[in-house]
Amino acid sequence: DGGITQSPKYLFRKEGQNVTLSCEQNLNHDAMYWYRQDPGQGLRLIYYSQIVNDFQKGDIAEGYSVSREKKESFPLTVTSAQKNPTAFYLCASANRGNQPQHFGDGTRLSIL
Amino acid sequence: GQNIDQPTEMTATEGAIVQINCTYQTSGFNGLFWYQQHAGEAPTFLSYNVLDGLEEKGRFSSFLSRSKGYSYLLLKELQMKDSASYLCAVRAPGGSYIPTFGRGTSLIVHP
Repeated sequence: DGGITQSPKYLFRKEGQNVTLSCEQNLNHDAMYWYRQDPGQGLRLIYYSQIVNDFQKGDIAEGYSVSREKKESFPLTVTSAQKNPTAFYLCASANRGNQPQHFGDGTRLSIL
Repeated sequence: GQNIDQPTEMTATEGAIVQINCTYQTSGFNGLFWYQQHAGEAPTFLSYNVLDGLEEKGRFSSFLSRSKGYSYLLLKELQMKDSASYLCAVRAPGGSYIPTFGRGTSLIVHP
């Protein structure tokens, strides 16, 4: 079955450490997205990519980095510069046009 | 900029009907999505409206009025499993086709 796989499901970060969240899709979607969700908040866009080897900052990109070397993969690195990283991170993908986004099951990141 | 407003929380009784509203002020409009999200899980797509009117899909219907900047999601014959957060997302014109999400409405269905 096609879908989006995020790993790990739970992740802990130590102070000063960078961590990378994985996102893989086999839906053959061109576009991929990373969102952050905090309690009682909507989804806030971190980064997005509409084509391989290209990506754009979203509304809250500071302290995060991404790469898009393959169509299927869009990993997100939470750097030590992100001072409040505790959140639920969701990856999504979509085709162009009026298609809805498909979401992964999320990664919950916490600080040790 | 874009502003999307939804009620924070609603409660309803099993078997009843509930209407979840979403109002938006955006710089242009190119479609509105509704998603369902159970706690700790991925949002799943429910409906998409781009033209005025009502779209019906089984127990769920979604309505759009572009002139009023208003949409609602109607859930009929509520079931306990409908307890979830419902996210309204609006897409504005532009090459990125990225929707902006509201804060979501937490629906609690009780027996």
